[in-house]
This record gives sequence, C-alpha cells and structure tokens, in this order.
Amino acid sequence: TQLLEQSPQFLSIQEGENLTVYCNSSSVFSSLQWYRQEPGEGPVLLVTVVTGGEVKKLKRLTFQFGDARKDSSLHITAAQPGDTGLYLCAGAPGKTSYDKVIFGPGTSLSVIP
Amino acid sequence: DAGVIQSPRHEVTEMGQEVTLRCKPISGHDYLFWYRQTMMRGLELLIYFNNNVPIDDSGMPEDRFSAKMPNASFSTLKIQPSEPRDSAVYFCASGSGRRETQYFGPGTRLLVL
Repeated sequence: TQLLEQSPQFLSIQEGENLTVYCNSSSVFSSLQWYRQEPGEGPVLLVTVVTGGEVKKLKRLTFQFGDARKDSSLHITAAQPGDTGLYLCAGAPGKTSYDKVIFGPGTSLSVIP
Repeated sequence: DAGVIQSPRHEVTEMGQEVTLRCKPISGHDYLFWYRQTMMRGLELLIYFNNNVPIDDSGMPEDRFSAKMPNASFSTLKIQPSEPRDSAVYFCASGSGRRETQYFGPGTRLLVL
C-alpha cells in the first residue's frame, strides 16, 4: 500500500516568518499535487509537479519535487495570516494525476498576526 | 461558473437509515470523484467516473456504499444502511481529462447517530 507522510502535523508561526513543510513516501509517483484547504471548504489545488527535481513558484510559495519523485516540499516565505489552512499533498502513481490518487494527512498551518 | 455543487451541506440521520448525497459537477468536466474526509483517515478517494462510467471503485469501503452517475451533470453517493462510523465530510470533485485539475465542492458533513 502506498502511503504519503507529511510533516510537521501542526505548525504555528508568527506573521512574516518562513516555513517549510514536507511530503514523503517510499513509493514513486508520476505526479504530485499540493492543495490548501480552509475550514468548512474543499481543498483547492495550488500546484502540480511531474518531473523529478522540478521547482515551481507561486508568489511566496515554492514547491519542489524530489529527484526520485518520492518526496516534495513546500516553502512559504514571509507567511501571512491568509496562508492559514490545511496543506495536503496528493500523489498519483498511475499514468495521470487522477489515477489511484492518494492524499497525505496534511499539515495544519496557523499564521498569527 | 458556480463550481461543484453538493447537497445537502449537512445531514444528520440515525443508524440504519439510507443516506443519499448529491453532486453536480462543473459543466464540461468529464471526470467526477467522490472522497471521504475524517480526522483519523484523512482524505480518501472512494470512487471516480470518467464520462459517467465508474473507473475505480476500490476505495468504496463496503457494499453499503454505492455511487451512480446517470448523466454528465449529476451523481449520487448512497449509504444504505448507514452506521455511526460513516460520519465524515464527503466531498465531490470534478475535473477535465485535458488539464488534470480537480475542483472540489464544499462537502457534505454527515453525522450518523
């Protein structure tokens, strides 16, 4: 069974600080996605990475896919209260991002003003 | 576009009752997904459809769960009979095979007493 682990499970930081959260697996994924979920809402896709070593930036967020396509990290620079939420990574071992997708347990981030 | 629409948003029922959750995907999307989210197990893919045909239902927990997609604009997830351990937030998501991006609905919060 393929599993995704995320760390840390909880993170509380002050506005303006930097942070990194991690998504790890012993399995190889053809693609990996990061989502943010706010309370009472569904997850919203932030990024998809498909190539080992790939780095993508979305404003203050930097996403990296490991060379072996087994892990990923999300780095947030100068965190804002609006970044608060549950960050989920999702891996797809199949041919497409939809095929047998599995989600990690998430990192709950709280940014304090 | 209104996004993915789910109904009801909240459902409270008694053990043994039948529960039907409904989903209207985004117009033009050819994939539809049903997920369940709990604190203990996180976000789990239950089943997904492509062009109204079930592709992978390996995540459906047991025979008490069934899902249908009679047309491109409507899907149901039915639990019969319901049990307290089915209490969770159920999400529907839709996506395009061309872009491989899932758009989640707001979820149905189910409580089985």
